[in-house]
Amino acid sequence: KAGVTQTPRYLIKTRGQQVTLSCSPISGHRSVSWYQQTPGQGLQFLFEYFSETQRNKGNFPGRFSGRQFSNSRSEMNVSTLELGDSALYLCASSGGTGSYNEQFFGPGTRLTVL
Amino acid sequence: GENVEQHPSTLSVQEGDSAVIKCTYSDSASNYFPWYKQELGKRPQLIIDIRSNVGEKKDQRIAVTLNKTAKHFSLHITETQPEDSAVYFCAATSGGGADGLTFGKGTHLIIQP
Repeated sequence: KAGVTQTPRYLIKTRGQQVTLSCSPISGHRSVSWYQQTPGQGLQFLFEYFSETQRNKGNFPGRFSGRQFSNSRSEMNVSTLELGDSALYLCASSGGTGSYNEQFFGPGTRLTVL
Repeated sequence: GENVEQHPSTLSVQEGDSAVIKCTYSDSASNYFPWYKQELGKRPQLIIDIRSNVGEKKDQRIAVTLNKTAKHFSLHITETQPEDSAVYFCAATSGGGADGLTFGKGTHLIIQP
């Protein structure tokens, strides 16, 4: 099976702009979670989608949003970019149908905000 | 919400020796505890996990132990090899895919030749 893929891999934006990142889960996986990874804060949970519905959200401002399509692909959007949004954004997919689901990560999108 | 503390932040061991990384969690409802290995510039990869109904799990040179009473779990790597050098993250969740994983800050494991 192909693994989780993310596009683009690298992105450079300026403050105030918005950005959309894409994640394609492992075939058959219906749950997609998004994480932000920074040297200072580590890996932090953004939100999780299952069957096109957001089931949970981490402690991030409303500028961070996401959605999931019927084919389980997911996008996250960050509006009004700030310097502090520079990070590696990782998505992870899992079966999502029950408890204890292993999460498999994509390679990430490296976002740099200038 | 859940809070996961991980120690040490850096661990240097001689090749062939054992390495132990420890994590504590705060939410007694957490019931799934995975460990991820992240090499420089690469994605986190699941190396082992444990459910709350199990006290210990082994997979070749890697083992994880869980003490639910103390809210404490540990990763043990025996006979360390150069390819074990990486950053290791512990995580906890209260179950299901919905809750997301709460990660520790990571341990940079350095294997000295």
